[in-house]
Amino acid sequence: EVQLVQSGAEVKKPGESLKISCKASGYRFSDYWIGWVRQMPGKGLEWMGIIYPGDADTRYSPSFQGQVIISADKSISTAYLHWSSLKASDTAMYYCTTLAMGYNNPSDYWGQGTLVTVSS
Amino acid sequence: EIVLTQSPGTLSLSPGERATLSCRASQSVSNNYLAWYQQKPGQAPRLLIYGASSRATGIPDRFSGSGSGTDFTLTISRLEPEDFAVYYCQQYDSSPRTFGQGSKVEIK
Repeated sequence: EVQLVQSGAEVKKPGESLKISCKASGYRFSDYWIGWVRQMPGKGLEWMGIIYPGDADTRYSPSFQGQVIISADKSISTAYLHWSSLKASDTAMYYCTTLAMGYNNPSDYWGQGTLVTVSS
Repeated sequence: EIVLTQSPGTLSLSPGERATLSCRASQSVSNNYLAWYQQKPGQAPRLLIYGASSRATGIPDRFSGSGSGTDFTLTISRLEPEDFAVYYCQQYDSSPRTFGQGSKVEIK
């Protein structure tokens, strides 16, 4: 059974760095693309970007290019979303999701979400 | 990027009624690479429909998707209490993938 387990909620100050994680199990980690989705409080879903752990091919939505870094560690079947300098506007729920059916397919498995709060 | 516009924003219906949700794309979505997700409060989204009309594993047959090109529809034939939620469409035809803004189905 495919499972994605995300790291716990974070409370940070503006300007701090943060890396949240998404640990995958139930499949060969290198084989499925993993994406990240942002949901700001009370708002809709926004696609941030995606990575193929097999070769680290990473593709960002233009809105998030340069704002975050998506990475993956095959040795521990974990994907990451990293900020070097958080802003209050980064306050949101972040979901990881897999494309188990392949790249030209929708997100079929989702993590439980990680709530990031950025406040001074 | 492809902009998806969903309507209505909110649909107020009673259990047992039929719900029809629309998703319109700013340009044609090739290969019908259009999905629908359901999201309930405090939960992650759940895939309902992919390829515009194929139900995901375990999705009841009261959910159906249709459409092509720029106009797509999600229909819930008879609303069950657990169907009251927010529904999002997503295109995965071109990069970046984009979502519609969501349609909320609420109890009347």
